[in-house]
Amino acid sequence: GAVVSQHPSWVICKSGTSVKIECRSLDFQATTMFWYRQFPKQSLMLMATSNEGSKATYEQGVEKDKFLINHASLTLSTLTVTSAHPEDSSFYICSARASSGSGNEQFFGPGTRLTVL
Amino acid sequence: AQSVTQLDSQVPVFEEAPVELRCNYSSSVSVYLFWYVQYPNQGLQLLLKYLSGSTLVKGINGFEAEFNKSQTSFHLRKPSVHISDTAEYFCAVTKGGGSYIPTFGRGTSLIVHP
Repeated sequence: GAVVSQHPSWVICKSGTSVKIECRSLDFQATTMFWYRQFPKQSLMLMATSNEGSKATYEQGVEKDKFLINHASLTLSTLTVTSAHPEDSSFYICSARASSGSGNEQFFGPGTRLTVL
Repeated sequence: AQSVTQLDSQVPVFEEAPVELRCNYSSSVSVYLFWYVQYPNQGLQLLLKYLSGSTLVKGINGFEAEFNKSQTSFHLRKPSVHISDTAEYFCAVTKGGGSYIPTFGRGTSLIVHP
């Protein structure tokens, strides 16, 4: 149980285009989902917290208009990187916290590798 | 606010040798502690967690960790590692008792040599 999927697993796009990444909780409902960015050989950097039915809460320094987050249902959150540039290339990981669970555990998706040319 | 320190960025070890990955945290309140493993190009997988109770926590893949409140540590151990344990390991801490977002350490790269 507690499986989180991400789609796509990798994407290559041209500079200036927008890319949408989906995060789904497959067997549980997640009122809260998180989006992280990870640079090579570094830890996860929290970008934003997404709550179903409300606006996402962005961490300091993360551009809201650049990284659009939509948490449309209890099982789906999307991250759209708008007008992507090479510096947006990174590994993006989502996680989901169950509506009822123990210990604040987050379940992580497998990640999406974004490469902007 | 909490913080997590993983002192070792890289730990090389030979196969079948024991290993310890160190994690220290700072917090003024009670905490929950986690260890995650990340294989290349994959997301994080929970190895084990400490919420309360016994300070020795056993996880998957033969790993265990001990919560030491006086030393504010939560070191991860395995008595005999395998090549397949080569991965990045992250320690994380969150406030206990509420829906708080965890703070991650910078990670320790475990490299198991044959």
